[in-house]
Amino acid sequence: KAGVTQTPRYLIKTRGQQVTLSCSPISGHRSVSWYQQTPGQGLQFLFEYFSETQRNKGNFPGRFSGRQFSNSRSEMNVSTLELGDSALYLCASSYLSGTGGYEQYFGPGTRLTVT
Amino acid sequence: AQTVTQSQPEMSVQEAETVTLSCTYDTSESDYYLFWYKQPPSRQMILVIRQEAYKQQNATENRFSVNFQKAAKSFSLKISDSQLGDAAMYFCAYRRLNSNSGYALNFGKGTSLLVTP
Repeated sequence: KAGVTQTPRYLIKTRGQQVTLSCSPISGHRSVSWYQQTPGQGLQFLFEYFSETQRNKGNFPGRFSGRQFSNSRSEMNVSTLELGDSALYLCASSYLSGTGGYEQYFGPGTRLTVT
Repeated sequence: AQTVTQSQPEMSVQEAETVTLSCTYDTSESDYYLFWYKQPPSRQMILVIRQEAYKQQNATENRFSVNFQKAAKSFSLKISDSQLGDAAMYFCAYRRLNSNSGYALNFGKGTSLLVTP
């Protein structure tokens, strides 16, 4: 079974621009979560989607948004980029069935650099 | 909110030796999951081991085992017979057992493990 894929792997953007990152979960997985990883703040939860619905959102400004499609693929968007948005963005997928399927499998990440 | 604390920013171990990484957490819930993830230089997060809080038996996966002390809210990872490939950042993570508002992982700051020949 193919793992979680994220595209692009590397991205360089300028302050003020916007960016869209994509995540394809493991086949059959319906939950997708996004995390931001920086040296200063560590791993922080951004949001989680399940069956095209956002179930949970972390403490990030409204510039960070996401969505999930009917095939469970997810995108996250960051508008009006700031230097502090430079980070590794990790996507994780999970099967989730009741209280089971709790393991999250991570993709390789997208390294975003804002200049 | 649940917080996860890893008090050892860096640890070092010799090949073939045993090392223990510490993790404590704060929660008011009685049922939850705990995980250890490994992040090598490739940055790919890999699940090492998981523990359900309602299970008293400590989880074991080959050379990796945990010491889960629920009352003390402690969840340490023991790596036996350390190998060079074990060198990585190790993250402890907490997740609620059951929540309509999602299943976000709360991560600690990580412990960087160096394995020397």
